[in-house]
Amino acid sequence: EAQVTQNPRYLITVTGKKLTVTCSQNMNHEYMSWYRQDPGLGLRQIYYSMNVEVTDKGDVPEGYKVSRKEKRNFPLILESPSPNQTSLYFCASTTTSAKNIQYFGAGTRLSVL
Amino acid sequence: AQSVTQPDIHITVSEGASLELRCNYSYGATPYLFWYVQSPGQGLQLLLKYFSGDTLVQGIKGFEAEFKRSQSSFNLRKPSVHWSDAAEYFCAVAAASGGSYIPTFGRGTSLIVHP
Repeated sequence: EAQVTQNPRYLITVTGKKLTVTCSQNMNHEYMSWYRQDPGLGLRQIYYSMNVEVTDKGDVPEGYKVSRKEKRNFPLILESPSPNQTSLYFCASTTTSAKNIQYFGAGTRLSVL
Repeated sequence: AQSVTQPDIHITVSEGASLELRCNYSYGATPYLFWYVQSPGQGLQLLLKYFSGDTLVQGIKGFEAEFKRSQSSFNLRKPSVHWSDAAEYFCAVAAASGGSYIPTFGRGTSLIVHP
């Protein structure tokens, strides 16, 4: 089954404790991205990747890091989380042959205390 | 750079009434256009898409959208809303060729359905 898998689905952490949210897709998509969703602000892109070892900043990259060492994986790293990073996070992937239809993960709800 | 505007943050309709959610986009060339729906506590699901050809596109759950190039719009419609349609709706635009292959999303419109 074609899917984008995010883990964990829910995470509560404390300020400053490094964390990683994993994202994996099994569709051989070149393009992957991370979004955060906040009430009234919709989906805002954090980082995206056009292919392995190619990443770029989205609209709200501050406080986040990503890596793309393999085509299927695109982890989101918060080196020193802060409460303003409490949000709902979505990973998504797409490919030009799919004409940019985004396939979304189920989301990760993060709370930073 | 591409951008999307959904001017309505909230829309309230009665069950059985018709619905139109507005979406305006900005992009210099022919775009790919999408509507996604997010039910409470769920991820995003593709409702419908426009790539080329017929400007009126049909989607799942009885939704349709019309691409109007002259107005840079891609409004979503449904003739009779059901209570289960209560959700957040996102319009998105992506480059049809060149540019960024990652879609840009609007801020979303929250649909409230009264019985």
